[in-house]
Amino acid sequence: NAGVTQTPKFQVLKTGQSMTLQCAQDMNHNSMYWYRQDPGMGLRLIYYSASEGTTDKGEVPNGYNVSRLNKREFSLRLESAAPSQTSVYFCASSVGNQPQHFGDGTRLSIL
Amino acid sequence: AQTVTQSQPEMSVQEAETVTLSCTYDTSENNYYLFWYKQPPSRQMILVIRQEAYKQQNATENRFSVNFQKAAKSFSLKISDSQLGDTAMYFCASLSSNDYKLSFGAGTTVTVRA
Repeated sequence: NAGVTQTPKFQVLKTGQSMTLQCAQDMNHNSMYWYRQDPGMGLRLIYYSASEGTTDKGEVPNGYNVSRLNKREFSLRLESAAPSQTSVYFCASSVGNQPQHFGDGTRLSIL
Repeated sequence: AQTVTQSQPEMSVQEAETVTLSCTYDTSENNYYLFWYKQPPSRQMILVIRQEAYKQQNATENRFSVNFQKAAKSFSLKISDSQLGDTAMYFCASLSSNDYKLSFGAGTTVTVRA
């Protein structure tokens, strides 16, 4: 049982490049989330998807787009990467009020 | 919107001793859920304990227990008999029952000394 799988685990980009972070869950969860983690700030919600076909902005959505491709997959896209988007990105999934299950994270550096 | 505050950036504890991590939160909802997550150096986010706001009884999970004070909006975590493997960053989080958004505190780094 893989749980939540994120790819890639590490990535270095140049300013202005684009990239998509992939996330897939095999727990049949309805809701999926993307967070970023920066030093001293905990995890902040970028976007979430309460169910297949719906997406909503979180606390820090600027510079990002998302796609809920199907129930299993929820991708995060950076169209034009900026140094301020250097961070660790986590995908999570859940059902209702149950605890969220997290992927192992993607460390993204933008030069 | 919910806000979560962890006022202790770092804490250190001797192996086998007890340490208590503080957490306060702010919400206008009556029904919500509180969590403590552990993040070891491996970066994984691991659920430690869960508390439902409508339950008065404090949750416990082996050596981990909480002190939930609803009126004070306080949710502290006690780690008893600390072990070296408890060294990690600990995050307090609040889940809204309206939209199931999870709000995190800034985290407390716990170091267990041998």
